[in-house]
Amino acid sequence: AQKITQTQPGMFVQEKEAVTLDCTYDTSDPSYGLFWYKQPSSGEMIFLIYQGSYDQQNATEGRYSLNFQKARKSANLVISASQLGDSAMYFCAMRDRGFQKLVFGTGTRLLVSP
Amino acid sequence: DGGITQSPKYLFRKEGQNVTLSCEQNLNHDAMYWYRQDPGQGLRLIYYSQIVNDFQKGDIAEGYSVSREKKESFPLTVTSAQKNPTAFYLCASSISPVRGLEAFFGQGTRLTVV
Repeated sequence: AQKITQTQPGMFVQEKEAVTLDCTYDTSDPSYGLFWYKQPSSGEMIFLIYQGSYDQQNATEGRYSLNFQKARKSANLVISASQLGDSAMYFCAMRDRGFQKLVFGTGTRLLVSP
Repeated sequence: DGGITQSPKYLFRKEGQNVTLSCEQNLNHDAMYWYRQDPGQGLRLIYYSQIVNDFQKGDIAEGYSVSREKKESFPLTVTSAQKNPTAFYLCASSISPVRGLEAFFGQGTRLTVV
């Protein structure tokens, strides 16, 4: 069965600093996709970045990058130059070919301070 | 604009009542999903549907029912058999469940039992 683990319930960072949010996963399927979502206090889920299991390079989207270490089964999200608007819950998720559904971790609450 | 619309935003249910949460998408997506989110927790999959007239149970389907009569609609009924229905419910859709593309989410429905 697929599983996502996020071990950091909360993280604090100062504005303009970089922060890494941890995510480890478990699956027996060699083909899978990893996703990061942001959930502000309004409740909507905002897609941030995607990494496929066969992608050779780490994904990047603006200030977001994914540190993908396949052998360690980790897919950490790096946010560079944090902004106050980055304060939110962040969820790591995975979809594998076999299950065809999106499974989420428990999330990390990020607080960016001035 | 294309997107996913959930209604209502807030819903109050009396003990023993069935209630139906609406989810409509105009993205022409094949797959649709219902998730439940409890405070401080991640998303748990209730039901998902890959094509019209077909759906599968997720991890916590007991006390819920769904239908998928049209591609754009995937309503969720919370039945009286669901003993603890107070939660935040999120509907999502994706182009195809097998292509590993991201899911798009609605704004959510917050259900409270009174």
